[in-house]
Amino acid sequence: DAMVIQNPRYQVTQFGKPVTLSCSQTLNHNVMYWYQQKSSQAPKLLFHYYDKDFNNEADTPDNFQSRRPNTSFCFLDIRSPGLGDAAMYLCATSEGREETDTQYFGPGTRLTVL
Amino acid sequence: GQNIDQPTEMTATEGAIVQINCTYQTSGFNGLFWYQQHAGEAPTFLSYNVLDGLEEKGRFSSFLSRSKGYSYLLLKELQMKDSASYLCAVRDSNYQLIWGAGTKLIIKP
Repeated sequence: DAMVIQNPRYQVTQFGKPVTLSCSQTLNHNVMYWYQQKSSQAPKLLFHYYDKDFNNEADTPDNFQSRRPNTSFCFLDIRSPGLGDAAMYLCATSEGREETDTQYFGPGTRLTVL
Repeated sequence: GQNIDQPTEMTATEGAIVQINCTYQTSGFNGLFWYQQHAGEAPTFLSYNVLDGLEEKGRFSSFLSRSKGYSYLLLKELQMKDSASYLCAVRDSNYQLIWGAGTKLIIKP
C-alpha cells in the first residue's frame, strides 16, 4: 500500500541534544510537509518542500531545519531542542499544491524533551 | 488575520446524528477540508468542498457556504469509533492550509 511512514513513532531526547526525525513516502508525491502539533491545538506548518524547492514559514524558529535528499525522504532536524519543542511532529505529502490536492499524513512522531 | 473557528468539544449519543460547525475568515478561498484525528494519531482525510452545497460520503456529509464562510460536518448513525477530533482546514489564496484547532467529539453509549 502506498503510504507515508515516520520513524521513530516515539522519540525521547535531552534538552539541547540534537535530534532528527524522518519521513518517507511511497506515493511519489511532489510536496512534503512538516507540521508541529501540540495537545488540543491545530497543526502548525513548519516548512514544506515542493520537489527540491524549500519553503520555510516565517515564524518557524531557526532551531528547526529540514532536508529532502530525494523524492521519497524528508528529515526534520531540531538542533537544540527545548522543553517547548515537545510535541507531535507530523509529516504529510500531497501530489501538488493545487486546490484539490489532499494532504496525506504519516502516523506522527511524538517527541519528549527531558 | 486568518481564523478558523470550531467548537472545542461536543458530546453525542451512539446511533444519533451530530453536526460540527466551522466558520472561517481567510485571505482567499481555495477549498475546505475535514480531517478526523484519533487521540495520538495523525489526521486522516474525510472530505473536500470547494463549491457550495452538500457532499455526501456514506455516514459522513460536509456542507459549504462560501458567502457565509461556513461549513459543517454531519455524522449520522454515530458509532463509538467516531470518538475523535475533527479538524476543519481551509486552503487560502496562497494555497496554504489554515487549520482549526479541532472539535473533540465524545460519543456516549
